[in-house]
Amino acid sequence: AQSVTQLDSHVSVSEGTPVLLRCNYSSSYSPSLFWYVQHPNKGLQLLLKYTSAATLVKGINGFEAEFKKSETSFHLTKPSAHMSDAAEYFCVVSGGYGGSQGNLIFGKGTKLSVKP
Amino acid sequence: GAGVSQTPSNKVTEKGKYVELRCDPISGHTALYWYRQSLGQGPEFLIYFQGTGAADDSGLPNDRFFAVRPEGSVSTLKIQRTERGDSAVYLCASSLNAGGTDTQYFGPGTRLTVL
Repeated sequence: AQSVTQLDSHVSVSEGTPVLLRCNYSSSYSPSLFWYVQHPNKGLQLLLKYTSAATLVKGINGFEAEFKKSETSFHLTKPSAHMSDAAEYFCVVSGGYGGSQGNLIFGKGTKLSVKP
Repeated sequence: GAGVSQTPSNKVTEKGKYVELRCDPISGHTALYWYRQSLGQGPEFLIYFQGTGAADDSGLPNDRFFAVRPEGSVSTLKIQRTERGDSAVYLCASSLNAGGTDTQYFGPGTRLTVL
């Protein structure tokens, strides 16, 4: 079965400093992995996705993530945090195979706070 | 273009009542998904449609929950005999196809409160 574990429920950084949101996955198959962001009272928005092409994936708003099979990790990073990055971030793996391959399995989320 | 829309945005009902939640996917998207997000949790998969048929309903918690997509576009999630534990945000998403790599675009959700 597919699953993801977000290692931090809350991360706090200062504006202009790097962001690291950690995610480990478990998958019986070659996974597709995603990061979604959810701002308060807004819908989920895709930041980036990994689909077995390049292991370093660049997304929107300066975010990127690196797929590391040996570590079963897919951590999200950004070199310099902005106040507008404050939101909830979800690491997501696709359901796997056959009829369930499109189902997304979400982690519990990491709330990112950015201090001025 | 227009994104995924959901109506109503908020629904308050009493325990035991019946509710319907509607989702309008992005035009041309063949796959439509329903998720449920409880407070402080990530969304959990309920059901998805490929065209008009439910391809996977393994996430529906019990037989009080049912969803339809009769013409392959708009979908309705139906909940009978609502319980307080059904209170959550119900999210709908659509994608061009139902493959594991297809991007799912989410609507703003319907916040259901069962008193």
